[in-house]
Amino acid sequence: DQQVKQNSPSLSVQEGRISILNCDYTNSMFDYFLWYKKYPAEGPTFLISISSIKDKNEDGRFTVFLNKSAKHLSLHIVPSQPGDSAVYFCAASAGFNKFYFGSGTKLNVKP
Amino acid sequence: DAGVIQSPRHEVTEMGQEVTLRCKPISGHDYLFWYRQTMMRGLELLIYFNNNVPIDDSGMPEDRFSAKMPNASFSTLKIQPSEPRDSAVYFCASSIYNEQFFGPGTRLTVL
Repeated sequence: DQQVKQNSPSLSVQEGRISILNCDYTNSMFDYFLWYKKYPAEGPTFLISISSIKDKNEDGRFTVFLNKSAKHLSLHIVPSQPGDSAVYFCAASAGFNKFYFGSGTKLNVKP
Repeated sequence: DAGVIQSPRHEVTEMGQEVTLRCKPISGHDYLFWYRQTMMRGLELLIYFNNNVPIDDSGMPEDRFSAKMPNASFSTLKIQPSEPRDSAVYFCASSIYNEQFFGPGTRLTVL
């Protein structure tokens, strides 16, 4: 059973608008969360992370929000750019470097 | 640093053949991970090593899969015998803290 779920396989957004990617998890022991970005024919690359002691972390156009009570995290991209078009994976860990990944959301930012 | 190196990038083989995937982690990283990406299940962790020692192989699907890390700079994932359902992209990643660095992946096709 998947402990990290990304229920939207794809998302299409107009350039300049906000992209919101969502992720849900089931394990209340998860205390560290990351988002990875993946372009075709490349490996995933780290984008942004958040610890469970925070509810928000911001890095430029990217902000991750964590709602522990709902076991939900989201990635906001503002403003969205065509170069942001990629597959986004969320991942969660309860320590020991073992991460559980979601199935990914393919973001398409239209010019 | 060249990043995580994987070989081959593409492998096409016939059912029943042995397949060996190779990985060179980033120098100095003490964790190494093998993942499999499929459309249905996203990124699945197969096995990971710490200081060349296998820590968790609970994700290895069957006894047909085996992984080794004979030294800090090399790891292999072997499938013997291979089956069509093993067709996927296999990623190797390494880390020293919480951020994992992924290789470009090996696309395996078993006919």
